[in-house]
Amino acid sequence: QVQLVQSGAEVKKPGASVKVSCKASGYTFTDHYMHWVRQAPGQGLEWMGRINPNTGDTDYTQKFQGRVTMTRDTSISTAYMELSRLRSDDTAVYYCAREIGSSQFDYWGQGTLVTVSS
Amino acid sequence: DIQMTQSPSSLSASVGDRVTITCRASQSISTYLNWYHQKPGKAPKLLIYAAFSLQSGVPSRFSGSGSGTDFTLTISSLQPEDFATYYCQQSYSTPLTFGGGTKVEIK
Repeated sequence: QVQLVQSGAEVKKPGASVKVSCKASGYTFTDHYMHWVRQAPGQGLEWMGRINPNTGDTDYTQKFQGRVTMTRDTSISTAYMELSRLRSDDTAVYYCAREIGSSQFDYWGQGTLVTVSS
Repeated sequence: DIQMTQSPSSLSASVGDRVTITCRASQSISTYLNWYHQKPGKAPKLLIYAAFSLQSGVPSRFSGSGSGTDFTLTISSLQPEDFATYYCQQSYSTPLTFGGGTKVEIK
C-alpha cells in the first residue's frame, strides 16, 4: 500500500534552516510528482511547491522563492524540503503529498511540525 | 494567482442533514477543482477531483458539481465521521491554491 512517512518534529531558532524528509513506499517513486503543503496553527492549507522525482525539476510558489529547496534521492525513494532563514511565522505542520492526475493529492504524509522559536 | 473563496466559513448541522459548501474561483478554472476534508491532527483526505469525480473509496453521499468559477460540494446525508474542515483546491495553474476552509460542526 502507498505510504508517505515524514521525519519527526523539529524546533529551530529564527534564521536557521530545517530539512524535512518524506519517504515513499508502495509505488514507483519516480512516477508521481511530490508536493509540499504547509499549515500554520489553526490556519488553512498553503502550497509551497513540487518536485518531479524523475527529473529533479522543481516549481516553487513565489512566496518561498530563494528560501525553499526541494530535492529527492531516488535510490531511497525519498523527497526533501529544506526551508532556510526561518522566521516565527514559518511555524507550521509541513506535509508532503503525492500528485495524481491533474495536481490533486491522493496520499499525504503524516505531517511534520516545525516550530520556530527563540 | 487564482484566489479560492469558500462559503460558509463554518456551519452547524445534524446527522442526516444535507450539507452544501460552495467554492468560487477568481477566474475560470474549467473543472480543475478538488475537494478534501481534514480532521484535527490529521492530513487532508481527497474526496472529489476534477469537480465531480468521486475518489476511490469515498462514500457516494459526497458529490461535487460546477465548472468555470462556481463549484459545490454536497453531502447528501451527514454522518458522524463527516464532521471536519473541508477545503477546495484549484489545480488549473500554479501556484496551486486552496480555499480558506469550511468547518462542519455538530449542531
